[in-house]
Amino acid sequence: DVKVTQSSRYLVKRTGEKVFLECVQDMDHENMFWYRQDPGLGLRLIYFSYDVKMKEKGDIPEGYSVSREKKERFSLILESASTNQTSMYLCASSPTTSGNYEQFFGPGTRLTVL
Amino acid sequence: LAKTTQPISMDSYEGQEVNITCSHNNIATNDYITWYQQFPSQGPRFIIQGYKTKVTNEVASLFIPADRKSSTLSLPRVSLSDTAVYYCLVGGARASGTYKYIFGTGTRLKVLA
Repeated sequence: DVKVTQSSRYLVKRTGEKVFLECVQDMDHENMFWYRQDPGLGLRLIYFSYDVKMKEKGDIPEGYSVSREKKERFSLILESASTNQTSMYLCASSPTTSGNYEQFFGPGTRLTVL
Repeated sequence: LAKTTQPISMDSYEGQEVNITCSHNNIATNDYITWYQQFPSQGPRFIIQGYKTKVTNEVASLFIPADRKSSTLSLPRVSLSDTAVYYCLVGGARASGTYKYIFGTGTRLKVLA
């Protein structure tokens, strides 16, 4: 089974802190994604990466950056956390097999910014 | 850019068939349609994926009309454990070599005894 793990299930940070969320997948998938999930808004794509050191902005990249130095690891960085970044953050990975776009999700990190 | 729209919530009784529709008027030629199930405090879990016509697996069916502007997830004989939020995801590869994905806002299904 594909396993996607996230570094923390719950995280509490203060406004202005730099926050790192890490995601690791064990299935050698090329694509990795970061989403945030908020009530009534569903899942919104922040960034995704289709290869090591490659990244593309999703729908809501403002206030976030990402890093992918190794194929299995994709990090989301909040340079200066703000209260409006309090949310559930979900990481996912998928293969690039044509016609198979199934994304495998981690359990999520619930981030609270005070 | 495909925008996906789903009903906010649905109620059903155990043993009934449930159909959840997703509208995606601007679906692109290369886009696939995928449905996910999510329980509280968990990440979404894959249910089914399709491109056109009908796809069936051991847990659900997916109906996609010829124009592909909508899709319907069909859950046969639901049970209480099917109470969850269901998301459709539309997306796929682009000519530029990148990918584009849009999630719907989710449908909260409540199965009643």
